[in-house]
Amino acid sequence: QTVVTQEPSFSVSPGGTVTLTCGLSSGSVSTSYSPSWYQQTPGQAPRTLIYSTNTRSSGVPDRFSGSILANKAALTITGAQADDESDYYCVLYMGSGIWVFGGGTKLTVL
Amino acid sequence: EVQLLESGGGLVQSGGSLRLSCAASGFRFSSYGMTWVRQAPGKGLEWVSCISGSGGSTFYADSVKGRFTISRDNSKNTLYLQMNGLRGEDTAVYYCAMHEGQYTHSPMAQHWGQGCLVTVSS
Repeated sequence: QTVVTQEPSFSVSPGGTVTLTCGLSSGSVSTSYSPSWYQQTPGQAPRTLIYSTNTRSSGVPDRFSGSILANKAALTITGAQADDESDYYCVLYMGSGIWVFGGGTKLTVL
Repeated sequence: EVQLLESGGGLVQSGGSLRLSCAASGFRFSSYGMTWVRQAPGKGLEWVSCISGSGGSTFYADSVKGRFTISRDNSKNTLYLQMNGLRGEDTAVYYCAMHEGQYTHSPMAQHWGQGCLVTVSS
C-alpha cells in the first residue's frame, strides 16, 4: 500500500522561507494526484490553504504557495510568521475514489 | 456563506452503531461531492469516505469498508455516515468536508465542518 510521506517536523525563523513536501513511498507526485494542503492548530478544524496543486483557498495570504518540486508536492511559506506555527497536512488522490493524507508536518517558528 | 455542521457524535460501546449527520448550507449541495475525514486523539488526519454529488458513487478507506456507509439526502442538504461495528480505533473527531465539484475526484476541500467527537468504549 502506497504511503504519503511528509517531514515529521520542520523549523523556520521568523521572516524566513520554508518548503514542506508531500511525496509517495513509491513513485512520483504529479498534478494528477490533485494535492491539497491544510493547516491545523490544536483543537481546531483544518483550514484549507492550497488545492489542485497550486490554487490558493479563499482568504489565504499569497505568502503560501503550492507547486510540484522534484517529484513531490510542495508547500512554500515565505516570510514566516509566529502564527504559522501549526501542523500541516497534505492529501493526494490515489484514483478509484481513494484519497490518502500524509502524516503531517509540525512546523515550529523560532 | 458555506456552512457545514456535524452532529450525532457521542459515546458508544464497542460493537455499537452511530449515525453522523452533516447539515450543509450556503451552496447548491447536490452539485458537490462530500467527504468524511477523521482524526484520532493526538493523531493525524485520515480520509474515511466520499460520495459524489448525485450520491451515485461512494468510496471507503479500507479501515472502514464493510462497516461504515456514507449517504446523502440532497432534498435535506444533509450528508450522513452510518457507522456499525464500532471499534476503539474508530474513536476520533469526524469532520465533513466538501469537494470543489460534483465528482469524488474533484479537489478536496475548501470548506470543513467543525467536527464532532465519537468515542468508542470497550
